[in-house]
Amino acid sequence: KNQVEQSPQSLIILEGKNCTLQCNYTVSPFSNLRWYKQDTGRGPVSLTIMTFSENTKSNGRYTATLDADTKQSSLHITASQLSDSASYICVVSFTQPDSSYKLIFGSGTRLLVRP
Amino acid sequence: KAGVTQTPRYLIKTRGQQVTLSCSPISGHRSVSWYQQTPGQGLQFLFEYFSETQRNKGNFPGRFSGRQFSNSRSEMNVSTLELGDSALYLCASSYLTRGDYGYTFGSGTRLTVV
Repeated sequence: KNQVEQSPQSLIILEGKNCTLQCNYTVSPFSNLRWYKQDTGRGPVSLTIMTFSENTKSNGRYTATLDADTKQSSLHITASQLSDSASYICVVSFTQPDSSYKLIFGSGTRLLVRP
Repeated sequence: KAGVTQTPRYLIKTRGQQVTLSCSPISGHRSVSWYQQTPGQGLQFLFEYFSETQRNKGNFPGRFSGRQFSNSRSEMNVSTLELGDSALYLCASSYLTRGDYGYTFGSGTRLTVV
């Protein structure tokens, strides 16, 4: 069964600290993996997208890694800011038999950055 | 370049009523997908339209329906509303089917059923 699991479910850190969010997936055949940031009451915004052959992708203070062998990804946030408080969602895309793509969403990690 | 526009932003309806939500995709995008997001279930796929045709459908009851117009704008309708339909409804547009790249979400419509 195609699944995406994220951990931790929630996380509280102090402003300026680093943190790492985890995403494990059992999706096959894998097409790409995205990390989204979703502020409360808003739509998700894409942070990074990685294909099978990429193992690192950065977007400012956000760095995503991908290990396609172990089917694990992580999102590392450096020098956290109060504005980083949001939900972070891992989304894995796979190819269906009719060649269309399907997205599997993780349940997200809720990050709270405190002053 | 304008983003994905969803209207209205907030909506309060009574059980048993019906509701229509609207989504205007990014200019040039022909694929529009709809999602329901609740605290307990996360993002759940409703359906996807591409060039006015429904390409994929999630596991939602027939009370949930949608359509896409020739200008790629899409509407989603929910009939006989239930309390459990309270959620944030998101649409996402893409140039390609199911948006493997360039998949952009709107800000959503917050529906509250009382």
